[in-house]
Amino acid sequence: EAEVAQSPRYKITEKSQAVAFWCDPISGHATLYWYRQILGQGPELLVQFQDESVVDDSQLPKDRFSAERLKGVDSTLKIQPAELGDSAMYLCASRPGQQATRQFFGPGTRLTVL
Amino acid sequence: AQRVTQPEKLLSVFKGAPVELKCNYSYSGSPELFWYVQYSRQRLQLLLRHISRESIKGFTADLNKGETSFHLKKPFAQEEDSAMYYCALSGRGTASKLTFGTGTRLQVTL
Repeated sequence: EAEVAQSPRYKITEKSQAVAFWCDPISGHATLYWYRQILGQGPELLVQFQDESVVDDSQLPKDRFSAERLKGVDSTLKIQPAELGDSAMYLCASRPGQQATRQFFGPGTRLTVL
Repeated sequence: AQRVTQPEKLLSVFKGAPVELKCNYSYSGSPELFWYVQYSRQRLQLLLRHISRESIKGFTADLNKGETSFHLKKPFAQEEDSAMYYCALSGRGTASKLTFGTGTRLQVTL
C-alpha cells in the first residue's frame, strides 16, 4: 500500500539555525497538509495545499515558517530561524481529492531545537 | 470556530472490560467526525468516521448532535487496543481543515 513519506525522521538543531522538512504524498493525492504536534497535544494544521496552491495558511507563523509545493507533488516546510518553542513533531498528510475526507499521514519529523 | 475536547488524557482499563473514550465538539454547521489512532511506533491512521457508520476492530462511535458528542466505544477491550486515540472534526467543503482533540491514551492491562 502506498504511504506518505517524510524526511528526515529526526532533526536536532540549535536555535537561530535554519531547518527544512520534506514530504512526498501518496501519488495522485492533490491535497497536502503540514501539521505541528507539540508533546501532549493533538496535531494542529499549519498549511494546506491544493495542488501547488496554498488553501489555508492561517496558522503558519509566516515570519519564520515557509512552505512550498512547486510542482504540486512533493512539499518542503522550512523554519528560519528556529526557536526553542519550535520543538515538536511535524506531520505531513495527504488526501486523494476534493470529495475525499480521509487523510493519510506520514511518519513525521521530530524536531528538537537546543 | 471549531473545537474538539477529549477530557481524559489517560484511560486505563482491564482486558475484557468495556471502553468509552469521550469526545465533544463545537462547530456551527454539519461537521464530519473522525477517530484517528496511533499505535506505538506507528503513524497516525484513521480508525473510523461517522459517515461510514461502521465498526472497526470492534469499535463504534455514534454522532450525537444534541449533545455534540462522538464517543468511541468497544464492549470488550483487548491488549492490542492500547494506543493513543484522537478525535477529529472537519467541516464540509474542499478547504475544510481537520481539527484534532488533545488525545486520550488507552492502556489495557491484564
